[in-house]
Amino acid sequence: ETGVTQSPTHLIKTRGQQVTLRCSSQSGHNTVSWYQQALGQGPQFIFQYYREEENGRGNFPPRFSGLQFPNYSSELNVNALELDDSALYLCASSDLGGNTIYFGEGSWLTVV
Amino acid sequence: DAKTTQPPSMDCAEGRAANLPCNHSTISGNEYVYWYRQIHSQGPQYIIHGLKNNETNEMASLIITEDRKSSTLILPHATLRDTAVYYCIVRVFRQWASNTGKLIFGQGTTLQVKP
Repeated sequence: ETGVTQSPTHLIKTRGQQVTLRCSSQSGHNTVSWYQQALGQGPQFIFQYYREEENGRGNFPPRFSGLQFPNYSSELNVNALELDDSALYLCASSDLGGNTIYFGEGSWLTVV
Repeated sequence: DAKTTQPPSMDCAEGRAANLPCNHSTISGNEYVYWYRQIHSQGPQYIIHGLKNNETNEMASLIITEDRKSSTLILPHATLRDTAVYYCIVRVFRQWASNTGKLIFGQGTTLQVKP
């Protein structure tokens, strides 16, 4: 039990639609990062948020965007969904020093 | 790209020690070795991390060679619930800058614990 919670756990969307995934970070953690994990692959870093601003990003297009709220919770938004966006989306939280990064259980997104 | 190399799969008998190797020959002086595991369809679980000294916690032990170019994660008494993909990751510890939440995952080692 890491204290990082994500919702929804599973969802199905149609190509071209938009999706919002939510994450509550572990108590005391002010940095939230998001990962995408395709089937059979390791997680890939999308971006991270600190103090409500994006301050690090992986190799993902701008249609992947996010928000962080004053209580450190976060959202991942994906616009214009493509079939290849089907994956497990993981949220992780840490303090800014990044001592240890804890993951949630993820949200399974299927794009049809 | 991941800076670590791990065998793709390993088997271990239940109750025996599982020794999972990892090569990280290009590790920098300020990079730590982290281990996570991922049980099927769940989020990665933090196991342990270390710099150069051996580390032990309630889950596992981490042995890092003196030259820091390789390490071994030891699960002292493997159970069926330890069947998972184990990831060895190197990263800068406590970097007060962007991408502190960034971990670069490789393919990991699939550990199968057998009865």
